Amino acid sequence: GQQLNQSPQSMFIQEGEDVSMNCTSSSIFNTWLWYKQEPGEGPVLLIALYKAGELTSNGRLTAQFGITRKDSFLNISASIPSDVGIYFCAGSSAGSYQLTFGKGTKLSVIP
Amino acid sequence: DAGVIQSPRHEVTEMGQEVTLRCKPISGHNSLFWYRQTMMRGLELLIYFNNNVPIDDSGMPEDRFSAKMPNASFSTLKIQPSEPRDSAVYFCASSLRDNTLAYFGPGTRLLVL
Repeated sequence: GQQLNQSPQSMFIQEGEDVSMNCTSSSIFNTWLWYKQEPGEGPVLLIALYKAGELTSNGRLTAQFGITRKDSFLNISASIPSDVGIYFCAGSSAGSYQLTFGKGTKLSVIP
Repeated sequence: DAGVIQSPRHEVTEMGQEVTLRCKPISGHNSLFWYRQTMMRGLELLIYFNNNVPIDDSGMPEDRFSAKMPNASFSTLKIQPSEPRDSAVYFCASSLRDNTLAYFGPGTRLLVL
């Protein structure tokens, strides 16, 4: 089946620093989604990407749909304490209802 | 919009007991998903409904698990009998169509003793 490798597994950064994380897939995806999950809550959709090369921003968050359609990147600029959480990438293939999720990147921000 | 609503938020039960988890999807969404999240396996899709019809239940662990969607605004996931290895967070998610832009509920944290 499809596999998503998400890295890094965890990050400890200083407040104000920029953050980068990525996902790579064993197969081509037509949609990439990025979610954030905070303790005790469900994943919240942050950004959706639909075309290869697409670059989309949501405030301080920017995500890109890789040209090969097998990867995606999420960047967070000028991190703040409330950015803490687990960030998940998810992808789906054309005509598929199946979302494949990465294992998540746990972000900790040191004030 | 209230978002996806799940109940209960927490459930502690003893092995062998029946557990029923409930979900109300976002109004107007016609796709509903049940996921299970554990540290070891991450987020796993258990079952997918489209227009109240189960389309794919291949992720349901075993016959002890069953799910229903009697109407567009309500779904249940039942575990009978429950076992300690069923302890996990169970999420319900809904979307307008297929799996694009799936919105998750807050989850039910299940602990089977």
